[in-house]
Amino acid sequence: AIQLTQSPSSLSVSVGDRVTITCRASQGISGTLAWYQQRPGIPPKLLIYDASTLAIGVPSRFSGSGSGTEFTLTISSLQPEDFATYYCQQFYNYPFDFGPGTKVDNK
Amino acid sequence: QVQLRESGPGLLKPSQTLSLTCTVSGGSISGGLYYWNWIRQHPGKGLEWLGYIYHSGTTFDSGTTYYNPSLQSRLTISADTSKKQFSLKVASVTAADTAVYYCARVGVSGGRYTGFDYWGQGNVVTVSS
Repeated sequence: AIQLTQSPSSLSVSVGDRVTITCRASQGISGTLAWYQQRPGIPPKLLIYDASTLAIGVPSRFSGSGSGTEFTLTISSLQPEDFATYYCQQFYNYPFDFGPGTKVDNK
Repeated sequence: QVQLRESGPGLLKPSQTLSLTCTVSGGSISGGLYYWNWIRQHPGKGLEWLGYIYHSGTTFDSGTTYYNPSLQSRLTISADTSKKQFSLKVASVTAADTAVYYCARVGVSGGRYTGFDYWGQGNVVTVSS
């Protein structure tokens, strides 16, 4: 199975900050990576698929990049509703595993 | 608007079989455009993909399934396309199966998956004697 790691595991930021989260795969996965946002008590929300394609309705402050084994999720200017946990997930091989998550909280 | 809703028990005893159903509204579960998935989340932990079922929509298609190898021996996913429902069974549950269970849809476009774009609200399952 492909292993996904995320860094950092958590970060404390302020509204307006630029946030960057990295996801690394144990082997090349081309661009078959998605990013999700999850707030407590509700299901995850799809942000990005195919590494860089913004899902419908997702604000343009979110962006994704990368290919192969290293990927990045960037929030250009963090908004109050963006405090959440972010997960990467691969579709290159079965099982469709998720990364361990990055918790973004208020400094 | 597509909506998914899980239904099933909230409490089971060890060794029992967990049965959950996901009812889809606002769209069909056959037709070959989407894969219908089960994903779970242990308390305070990350997400674990369990498996999917896919229906091409052809007359005699009974559905194609794929399971997470780590749990494959205990999982069964099936579907009733006429009711727009798909189901998950987990056999011989233990406390380690305590989790929130989600159903979710993933689309395919140009041969590539387009992410889990619709999710149910989750069904909390506790396994305890």
